[in-house]
Amino acid sequence: QKEVEQDPGPLSVPEGAIVSLNCTYSNSAFQYFMWYRQYSRKGPELLMYTYSSGNKEDGRFTAQVDKSSKYISLFIRDSQPSDSATYLCAMRRTGGYQKVTFGIGTKLQVIP
Amino acid sequence: ETGVTQTPRHLVMGMTNKKSLKCEQHLGHNAMYWYKQSAKKPLELMFVYSLEERVENNSVPSRFSPECPNSSHLFLHLHTLQPEDSALYLCASSQEAGGGRSNTGELFFGEGSRLTVL
Repeated sequence: QKEVEQDPGPLSVPEGAIVSLNCTYSNSAFQYFMWYRQYSRKGPELLMYTYSSGNKEDGRFTAQVDKSSKYISLFIRDSQPSDSATYLCAMRRTGGYQKVTFGIGTKLQVIP
Repeated sequence: ETGVTQTPRHLVMGMTNKKSLKCEQHLGHNAMYWYKQSAKKPLELMFVYSLEERVENNSVPSRFSPECPNSSHLFLHLHTLQPEDSALYLCASSQEAGGGRSNTGELFFGEGSRLTVL
């Protein structure tokens, strides 16, 4: 079983749609949960970061973590063509240097 | 220059060549990383340098040789590679908290070096 499972997509949605991206994981020691966004021909950049369980909102983006189910989500409201990118979930344990485990990434296309 | 800069952006090499990838970070971070990104696979951590000391070597073949001469520079020396080594190689940096304390752990990535091995 992979430590982090993520549907690679691709996922195509019309502009203005609500997008739901998800990951499951198996390692209960993970405490920090992140979503990175990677545009074509670019490196990933941090989009959202959550510690332990709960929700976090930033503009049109909401990250949710359910540690009891080992399930994390990223919601994008009012999706825009500029949101077209690959979204990678990532997570790590506490302490020490940042050994981060990534999902495979979901490719999202928002169609105008 | 700002952020994390990687050169070259594209590299084509034969299996017998020797080449190097270079990474420079301008963020004052104390940890640097090499990741491999292949199609249909998650990002694979290859090497980690914390305070210029290698702290992680994820069972990477010896044909990949990292070098970290100072906290701002990281190299990946390549020799006798295989076609399956063709991938995007990403460098990243972060600020590691001292004394075992954690911080947000944000990784700052460069744009990557696209490597093709013929």
